[in-house]
Amino acid sequence: GEKVEQHESTLSVREGDSAVINCTYTDTASSYFPWYKQEAGKSLHFVIDIRSNVDRKQSQRLTVLLDKKAKRFSLHITATQPEDSAIYFCAASYSGTYQRFGTGTKLQVVP
Amino acid sequence: EAAVTQSPRNKVAVTGGKVTLSCNQTNNHNNMYWYRQDTGHGLRLIHYSYGAGSTEKGDIPDGYKASRPSQENFSLILELATPSQTSVYFCASGGTGVSAETLYFGSGTRLTVL
Repeated sequence: GEKVEQHESTLSVREGDSAVINCTYTDTASSYFPWYKQEAGKSLHFVIDIRSNVDRKQSQRLTVLLDKKAKRFSLHITATQPEDSAIYFCAASYSGTYQRFGTGTKLQVVP
Repeated sequence: EAAVTQSPRNKVAVTGGKVTLSCNQTNNHNNMYWYRQDTGHGLRLIHYSYGAGSTEKGDIPDGYKASRPSQENFSLILELATPSQTSVYFCASGGTGVSAETLYFGSGTRLTVL
């Protein structure tokens, strides 16, 4: 089955700088790539996704890039703020299967 | 905003005991999921359901059963709890398409098996 790897377990950036979190997947059939955010002590909530028919999607300060050849996708956060501090999970799925998650990246935005 | 409610929030159980975790969603989603979250493993899928009366195995179903008696409710059952099942459990619901859908998560249940 699909395996999703999330390469950075922790990431520390200065407030105002950009952060990039990278994920890779194994199954070329994967077509849906969501990202979820988990703030300290809380549950996960959806932040942005991308489907395989596009290679870039932006929502305010968040951009997701998809490189199907490399089976890699990434979350870019610009102008980071303290409230961006959280654990970010990437996930992947293809038609007829459920989402499989990466191990999470803890992002710390320091003043 | 999708609403998924889990109970209990915290549970302490003894080894060999039976544990039932409950999940309720009010969004009329067809699909519901049970994940567990462990450090170093991220979220792993235990069981899921396409609708009332259906349950399917996820990636780590051993030691767990699931029940979907209605569209709204999905339970996870540990018949004989073991310390290795100590974890945080999340229920989630989604729309109609199994794969390409946003998941809405409950607040989680922290289970400790002594």
